[in-house]
Amino acid sequence: SAVISQKPSRDICQRGTSLTIQCQVDSQVTMMFWYRQQPGQSLTLIATANQGSEATYESGFVIDKFPISRPNLTFSTLTVSNMSPEDSSIYLCSAEGRGRSYNEQFFGPGTRLTVL
Amino acid sequence: QKEVEQNSGPLSVPEGAIASLNCTYSDRGSQSFFWYRQYSGKSPELIMFIYSNGDKEDGRFTAQLNKASQYVSLLIRDSQPSDSATYLCAVIHSGANNLFFGTGTRLTVIP
Repeated sequence: SAVISQKPSRDICQRGTSLTIQCQVDSQVTMMFWYRQQPGQSLTLIATANQGSEATYESGFVIDKFPISRPNLTFSTLTVSNMSPEDSSIYLCSAEGRGRSYNEQFFGPGTRLTVL
Repeated sequence: QKEVEQNSGPLSVPEGAIASLNCTYSDRGSQSFFWYRQYSGKSPELIMFIYSNGDKEDGRFTAQLNKASQYVSLLIRDSQPSDSATYLCAVIHSGANNLFFGTGTRLTVIP
C-alpha cells in the first residue's frame, strides 16, 4: 500500500494569489494524480503527474492555471494559480500502488482550499 | 464523452437490510471497476474491485459486473450505521491509467 500526506491540509486565500500543494508518498510509485472535489460533488481528475516530463491534463484544465511538478517518484506539487472563488474546493493527490488490487489508487487526506 | 453514472440518491435503508448501489458506464472497453467509500470530510478508500463478469464477494460486500450491459453494482448485506457514507463507482477506461468517478450515491443506514 501507499501512505500519502498532503500539505497544507487547508488554507484560506485571497483572490488573485497562488497556492502550492505538496504531496508526499511513503514509497516510490509510477503513477500520481491530482483530483478536485467541489462541495457535494464527485472527484474530477485534473492531471496525471508524470515523473521527468510535463503533466498530462484533462479537458478543461490547463498548465497555466494548474502547474504541476513531479521531481521524483515520491513527490509532486500542484499549484492553483491566480485563484478565484470558483477554485474553492478540496484538492486530492492520489498514487497507484499495489494494494488489494494491482492498480489500486490510494488517496491523500486532501487540501481544503477556500478563496475569498 | 466517456461517462460513469450512478443511481441518484440519497439512499436510506434500515439497519440489517441490503443496500443496493448501481453504476453504469459508457466506455465498452473499460476493464477495471472499483467501489470507493468516502466518509464525510475524509478521502475515498477502496472497498471493492472487480475485473471479470459475475459476482465477487468480500465479507458483507458483493460487487457484480455485467460488461455486456455495462453496469456494475455493489450490494451491502446486513447494513450497519457505520456503512453510512458516499459510495463512489470508479472505472478505468480503455487506454487510460486514471480512475474516472461517478457522481456518487449517499447511503444512510437508519438504526
